[in-house]
Amino acid sequence: QVQLVQSGAEVKKPGSSVKVSCKASGDTFSSYAISWVRQAPGQGLEWMGGIKSIFGTADYAQNFQGRVTIITDESTSTVYMELSSLRSEDTAIYYCARDFHYYDSDGNYVVVAFDIWGQGTMVTVSS
Amino acid sequence: DIQMTQSPSTLSASVGDRVTITCRASQSISSWLAWYQQKPGKAPKLLIYKASSLQSGVPSRFSGSGSGTEFTLTISSLQPDDFATYYCQQYNGYPYSFGQGTKLEIK
Repeated sequence: QVQLVQSGAEVKKPGSSVKVSCKASGDTFSSYAISWVRQAPGQGLEWMGGIKSIFGTADYAQNFQGRVTIITDESTSTVYMELSSLRSEDTAIYYCARDFHYYDSDGNYVVVAFDIWGQGTMVTVSS
Repeated sequence: DIQMTQSPSTLSASVGDRVTITCRASQSISSWLAWYQQKPGKAPKLLIYKASSLQSGVPSRFSGSGSGTEFTLTISSLQPDDFATYYCQQYNGYPYSFGQGTKLEIK
């Protein structure tokens, strides 16, 4: 059974950075892409970006360009998301999620959903 | 970016009711749409992918339909466990945007 286990809650000062981890177990880690989604208190879901370990590439939402970095440590089957220049509006639960995908007839990696989610990490930004 | 709009934002219904939630995309996304259920304090759970494919283990009372810009999630007979918030998400292109959510409440 594949599981994604995230690191614990963080409290940060405005202007600082936070690094949240997401450790995968139970499956071939490098076969999947992992995305990060955040949810501000009482609000909806927002995709931040994702990384495809098998291709070694990361993609980021324009809203977070320049502030977010997603990297993979294949030796420990862990994906990290670092968000810098934190502000109060970044207070949210941060989730990692595994891509549910297939390869089409041309060999393209096609994502159709997120099927496995981490438990979430609460990040509070407060002075 | 593709904008996803759900309606209604809140829906009150009773156990046994048939309910439908609508999701509209700002441009065509073919069938690249998923539906999730989220309960308070929990991560989202995948219900439907590619607009109408039921995820393994999800009860058959959940169904999805649509293509292009208009999609629906239908619950054929509401059960007590179904009261939650539902989100659609498009996978046609980055960023993978979500709808704002529909909260399904007990009437």
